[in-house]
Amino acid sequence: AQKVTQAQTEISVVEKEDVTLDCVYETRDTTYYLFWYKQPPSGELVFLIRRNSFDEQNEISGRYSWNFQKSTSSFNFTITASQVVDSAVYFCALNNYQLIWGAGTKLIIKP
Amino acid sequence: GAGVSQSPSNKVTEKGKDVELRCDPISGHTALYWYRQSLGQGLEFLIYFQGNSAPDKSGLPSDRFSAERTGGSVSTLTIQRTQQEDSAVYLCASSLEGWHEQFFGPGTRLTVL
Repeated sequence: AQKVTQAQTEISVVEKEDVTLDCVYETRDTTYYLFWYKQPPSGELVFLIRRNSFDEQNEISGRYSWNFQKSTSSFNFTITASQVVDSAVYFCALNNYQLIWGAGTKLIIKP
Repeated sequence: GAGVSQSPSNKVTEKGKDVELRCDPISGHTALYWYRQSLGQGLEFLIYFQGNSAPDKSGLPSDRFSAERTGGSVSTLTIQRTQQEDSAVYLCASSLEGWHEQFFGPGTRLTVL
């Protein structure tokens, strides 16, 4: 069975703190893709990153970074120096044919 | 270019009526998806179209739900005899191919009274 678990339902931090959103996945396939999406209060889902199962290199994009570890089946997302505009629901997803979504983590950044 | 568009943005209907929701994917994208998102919940997969292949309908919750994609482009999701539990935001997404990142439309908020 394929599954994505985002154990953190809601996280609240003060602006400028670093925050890590956890994502653990289950799949028996050797080829798959992992994604992160952001859903701000406006509601529209925004693509953040895609990572394929053969590329375990960590990625950094500005204040965002992703840590992919196949050994622990995790694809965690870190926001450095968080800002109020980062407040949103963040979804992790797994795709090897159909997109399997985690339940999402609501991130609240307080000023 | 233009992103994924959906219409209407809001739809209020009475229980028992049929509704049609429309999705215009990004031009050139072969894959199209419909999802449903209830308030405060994650995304529930409904149906997936890939090129000319038979669609994956495994996520449709009942036979009241159906979807078609004409000419490999525009898609319509139809809900017959709507029920109050059908109230949700219906999201459409498209991607270049099935493995690629999906780009989402703004959604249609359906309210069944």
